[in-house]
Amino acid sequence: EVQLVESGGGLVQPGGSLRLSCAASGFTFSSYWMSWVRQAPGKGLEWVANIKQDGSEKYYVDSVKGRFTISRDNAKNSLYLQMNSLRAEDTAVYYCARGVGGSYPRYFDYWGQGTLVTVSS
Amino acid sequence: DIVMTQTPLSLSVTPGQPASISCKSSQSLLHSDGKTYLYWYLQKPGQPPQLLIYEVSNRFSGVPDRFSGSGSGTDFTLKISRVEAEDVGVYYCMQSIQLPLFTFGPGTKVDIK
Repeated sequence: EVQLVESGGGLVQPGGSLRLSCAASGFTFSSYWMSWVRQAPGKGLEWVANIKQDGSEKYYVDSVKGRFTISRDNAKNSLYLQMNSLRAEDTAVYYCARGVGGSYPRYFDYWGQGTLVTVSS
Repeated sequence: DIVMTQTPLSLSVTPGQPASISCKSSQSLLHSDGKTYLYWYLQKPGQPPQLLIYEVSNRFSGVPDRFSGSGSGTDFTLKISRVEAEDVGVYYCMQSIQLPLFTFGPGTKVDIK
């Protein structure tokens, strides 16, 4: 059974940093693109970032470029999101999701339960 | 950037009755590889999104056959043949033709009358 379990969310002040983690199990982690998708309270879904199987390619939505860094550790079956210079508008539930596709993921087939990040003073 | 719109934004359905949600994209989602990169997700209350339909009309593993997807180009539809209580939640369409971006529609909230 595919499982994705996020952790690391919490309350942080504007301008602060936070590191999210996602522990994967039930599949060969190193064979899949992985992604972060977020959802602001009461709002819709927004893709945040993708990372290739070997970590050699990373892509971000414009609003987080230069502030967020996606990474992975295939030996630990783990995905990470380092979030710096956080803003109030980054407040959201952050989901870890598995990407499916060929040379680039086209959709997400499994999602974690999410971890809440609140940016507030 | 491609903009996804959905109608209606909310829908109240009697159990056993059909339901239909429309999704429109601002540009064609038909790729030169012949595939159309349009997907449907359902987010049940308090849960993460779950994949229902991939590439317009293919049901994901375990998805009941009362769910069906259709459409082409820029116009797509998700149909539920007979709504059940467990189908409540927010339905999102998503496009992935414009790499590396993934764009979701605003969502359609479905509840039971």
